[in-house]
Amino acid sequence: DGGITQSPKYLFRKEGQNVTLSCEQNLNHDAMYWYRQDPGQGLRLIYYSQIVNDFQKGDIAEGYSVSREKKESFPLTVTSAQKNPTAFYLCASSFLQGQQYFGPGTRLTVT
Amino acid sequence: ELKVEQNPLFLSMQEGKNYTIYCNYSTTSDRLYWYRQDPGKSLESLFVLLSNGAVKQEGRLMASLDTKARLSTLHITAAVHDLSATYFCAVDISYSGGGADGLTFGKGTHLIIQP
Repeated sequence: DGGITQSPKYLFRKEGQNVTLSCEQNLNHDAMYWYRQDPGQGLRLIYYSQIVNDFQKGDIAEGYSVSREKKESFPLTVTSAQKNPTAFYLCASSFLQGQQYFGPGTRLTVT
Repeated sequence: ELKVEQNPLFLSMQEGKNYTIYCNYSTTSDRLYWYRQDPGKSLESLFVLLSNGAVKQEGRLMASLDTKARLSTLHITAAVHDLSATYFCAVDISYSGGGADGLTFGKGTHLIIQP
């Protein structure tokens, strides 16, 4: 089955710990994206990548890091520098200039 | 900076009624998307609007795009309970550069349709 997978579905961490969220796609899409959603809010762009080994900051990149070593994978690390990390994180992918398709999301809770 | 505004943000309506959700954006674009989100779930793509005057319909939902007014509408006809969800519009301004720079979303319209 073609699609976008994110793992884990739920993640709990203590404050001060870094955590990495996984995103994999087998759609052969060129571009991948990370968004964050807070309760009652729209999605905000964290990072995006149009090609392997290259990525750009989105609107709220502070406290986050990414890598794009493979076309299929775009992991997001939430670092201890992120002041309010508790949120719903959504990964998406697309062909260049194409429609974005979203993964099922990871709900991160930091206490 | 691109701003995308949806209204209303919350809408409670009865089954069988018609209503329209509005999406205004601040920068020239002719690429706009509508998504649906159920509670605790990811986003489901509803419509892709790629040119001025574009109109798409699926069941009781119809979306349109007026790029000159920088306005898109999502019209609900004879609403049914199953359409209860949060609806987002999202604007893409990256196409002109040939790239894929991410979407800017509105805050969403939380729609409740009561039997």
